[in-house]
Amino acid sequence: DAGVTQSPTHLIKTRGQQVTLRCSPKSGHDTVSWYQQALGQGPQFIFQYYEEEERQRGNFPDRFSGHQFPNYSSELNVNALLLGDSALYLCASSPLVPLTRNGHTDTQYFGPGTRLTVL
Amino acid sequence: DAKTTQPTSMDCAEGRAANLPCNHSTISGNEYVYWYRQIHSQGPQYIIHGLKNNETNEMASLIITEDRKSSTLILPHATLRDTAVYYCIVSYGQNFVFGPGTRLSVLP
Repeated sequence: DAGVTQSPTHLIKTRGQQVTLRCSPKSGHDTVSWYQQALGQGPQFIFQYYEEEERQRGNFPDRFSGHQFPNYSSELNVNALLLGDSALYLCASSPLVPLTRNGHTDTQYFGPGTRLTVL
Repeated sequence: DAKTTQPTSMDCAEGRAANLPCNHSTISGNEYVYWYRQIHSQGPQYIIHGLKNNETNEMASLIITEDRKSSTLILPHATLRDTAVYYCIVSYGQNFVFGPGTRLSVLP
């Protein structure tokens, strides 16, 4: 049973460029969340996708966008890259448990991350 | 902001139990307590979670106080491979808000 996978492992871009990161969730999971982790800090929530729609979003600008495909895999896109976007980008998957009308996101499992360096 | 507070760092001798505390005094009734750890530059690894009762799995034990305002993660026999940053998170249906965590160093 494959866990959460992410690609690429490392990426180097220059300021102003655009980047796309990819994530395949753990088998049986239909919810994908993305996090940004700057050096020396804890991960920060970017957004969550379920049923191919963005369901929740953290405090990130519109330059950060995403997509979820019918097979539950997901992409994170960042436009107009800034030096401050250099970070480890983490994808986490979970099953959405419909315990309430809003659902309850169960335990999240993280991928190995993509290290983005912006020069 | 994170709803938890943890010590910045802790040391533990190899083979001894590591007890990592976490305060979450504003926890809501339906929020779970989750523990993850992150070994240098890898993705966070799930350890354990609980709601009210103490929990144990093959990795660790989680002790939650009766008022649920604090908890302790116990690694019963720490090894050098347990050296990592440990994150305590409280959450229900929301995405995780990570604090800076506790840097645990297991010493030979």
